[in-house]
Amino acid sequence: DSGVTQTPKHLITATGQRVTLRCSPRSGDLSVYWYQQSLDQGLQFLIQYYNGEERAKGNILERFSAQQFPDLHSELNLSSLELGDSALYFCASSVAGGGPDIQYFGAGTRLSVL
Amino acid sequence: QQQVKQSPQSLIVQKGGIPIINCAYENTAFDYFPWYQQFPGKGPALLIAIRPDVSEKKEGRFTISFNKSAKQFSLHIMDSQPGDSATYFCAASRGGGSYIPTFGRGTSLIVHP
Repeated sequence: DSGVTQTPKHLITATGQRVTLRCSPRSGDLSVYWYQQSLDQGLQFLIQYYNGEERAKGNILERFSAQQFPDLHSELNLSSLELGDSALYFCASSVAGGGPDIQYFGAGTRLSVL
Repeated sequence: QQQVKQSPQSLIVQKGGIPIINCAYENTAFDYFPWYQQFPGKGPALLIAIRPDVSEKKEGRFTISFNKSAKQFSLHIMDSQPGDSATYFCAASRGGGSYIPTFGRGTSLIVHP
């Protein structure tokens, strides 16, 4: 067990809808990262938050947004969903995020857009 | 543009064999090269990592070989076991930011008993 908790494990929704994925980092970790894993694109970095502030941005669509709350949990919001958004979404956390910290990954949320 | 190319896509070996997974990168600014192991239903987990000033690093049965001039690195698994069956990802990252990894496409390894 990595100590990173993601909910829900599975999510099935329809095109055009909006969903929220939740991540609780390991105790003491200040950085949270979101990744998307799909057969087409592989494992891709979306966004990083450090202690509540956005620190790095990757290939995140404008329809997607994220935030990190004062208790350090994070949410990834996906809106106007399309079939191509179906994927595994991983959250990872690390202590600081300024150097090559070890990132601990959660078990992921599997999103199916029908 | 695929910045980290990984091969092979899949690999099947017998128990005790030495599977080798290769990766190549293009961006010379990369200065940290981790390998991740992912089991079905789980997230990736850091296995071993190397910096470009070192040509080889061993941790238990896992060894990374690094060739800076060729911009290539590889993972060797000595005395492979059925429990090593998983998907392996190489990655590359750089400082000046958050060391966000750019991942290879992954190698599915099956070790037969």
